[in-house]
Amino acid sequence: EIVLTQSPATLSLSPGERATLSCRASQSVSNYLAWYQQKPGQAPRLLIYDASNRATGMSARFSGSGSGTDFTLTISSLEPEDFAVYYCQQRGNWPQITFGQGTRLEIK
Amino acid sequence: EVQLVQSGAEVKKPGESLKISCKGSGYSFTTYWIGWVRQMPGKGLEWMGIIYPGDSDTRYSPSFQGQVTISADKSISTAHLQWSSLKASDTAMYYCVRYDSGTHAFDIWGQGTMVTVSS
Repeated sequence: EIVLTQSPATLSLSPGERATLSCRASQSVSNYLAWYQQKPGQAPRLLIYDASNRATGMSARFSGSGSGTDFTLTISSLEPEDFAVYYCQQRGNWPQITFGQGTRLEIK
Repeated sequence: EVQLVQSGAEVKKPGESLKISCKGSGYSFTTYWIGWVRQMPGKGLEWMGIIYPGDSDTRYSPSFQGQVTISADKSISTAHLQWSSLKASDTAMYYCVRYDSGTHAFDIWGQGTMVTVSS
């Protein structure tokens, strides 16, 4: 099973700051890495697919990068609505899909 | 509008059986995989398994193999997740998700079904 490790577990920042979230895979997943945002009481929603492609309707503040085992989600300038939990997910060895444990982005 | 609509919250006792549902609409139900994701209270997301409604090809996470059964009825565009004997540790929110083979991601999420197992 491919394990995804997200860091940090919690990130405390202020609105307007830049956020950098990391996701590391235990073995290569090529570019088959997605990012999701989950707000309290809501279902997650897709932000980024195939490591660097924004999902339909997602703000250009969100960008993804990386390939192989190391991936990054960047939020360029935090808005109040961006404070949430973010998960990465891989399908590198289909059909065995796994999620990372999540990064909580909180207001400082 | 493409959407997945799940059945309502359930409260069950340990040892009881349960089947929850997920109805797809606004797209061709038989040509996208449908998966299930568990989220225990205050915890992260866990992939449970996935089914292709077109031919009922089903795959399970090793962690959930033998613990649950995933099925689909393409005639009514509905997928199911079922338990034969619930445990307290099955208490969680369960999401059905549409897997897009083009983006390799879960692009549509159901609203979730909360399952509570308590004596």
